[in-house]
Amino acid sequence: NAGVMQNPRHLVRRRGQEARLRCSPMKGHSHVYWYRQLPEEGLKFMVYLQKENIIDESGMPKERFSAEFPKEGPSILRIQQVVRGDSAAYFCASSPNRGSEAFFGQGTRLTVV
Amino acid sequence: ELKVEQNPLFLSMQEGKNYTIYCNYSTTSDRLYWYRQDPGKSLESLFVLLSNGAVKQEGRLMASLDTKARLSTLHITAAVHDLSATYFCAVDEDKIIFGKGTRLHILP
Repeated sequence: NAGVMQNPRHLVRRRGQEARLRCSPMKGHSHVYWYRQLPEEGLKFMVYLQKENIIDESGMPKERFSAEFPKEGPSILRIQQVVRGDSAAYFCASSPNRGSEAFFGQGTRLTVV
Repeated sequence: ELKVEQNPLFLSMQEGKNYTIYCNYSTTSDRLYWYRQDPGKSLESLFVLLSNGAVKQEGRLMASLDTKARLSTLHITAAVHDLSATYFCAVDEDKIIFGKGTRLHILP
C-alpha cells in the first residue's frame, strides 16, 4: 500500500503563473487535508476535503487559492497568479475516516521567482 | 478557535542530558500526535495518544497525555545527536492543528 503521494516534489513558478499541486491519498482513504509550511514555521491548516466535497476551508486564503478532490483522480491545490509570499512547502495528508489518524505525504516545495 | 502551544520553541542541549517538551492545547480533544521533522523533509509520525493517561515510549523518547490538564509532554532521555530535529505536537479535532514546533539541537 503506497503512502500519500504528492507531485511534483519541487515546483518553480514565476510571479503571476499558476501552480497546481497534486495529492493522491493512500488507498482506501477518502479524506484529504492540505497544509502550508513557511520556512522555519509550523504547519498551517488550509483545507479539509472529502470526495467531491469541501468540509472545512477555514485556512484557505480568500483569493487565488482553491482546492478540489474529484470523484476520480488526485486532490488538487491550485494557486493562481502566484506571488513570492506563496513560496512554501505544501503538505497533504489523508485518512480513511473522519477522526482517524492522518498520514502525510512528502510535500511539494513551491518556489516563486 | 483551537490553539496548540509548545514550549520551548528552541532547545539546545548537551548529549546525555534529559529534557521535556510541553504541549498545551485549548480543546477537549483526546487525540494528540507527536511528529518529527528533519530539515527539508516531511513529517515522521512518532506517537499517537488517544486517551487520558496514555503513555508511549520509543527508544529515548516518551510521550504522555493528560486530557484533563490539556497537556502532553515529550520526554527525551539521555539525548544523542541523532535526535536533533524539529518536534511538533498536533491535536486532532476533525482537522489536525499543529503547534509551532520545538527546534531541538543536541550538542556533542
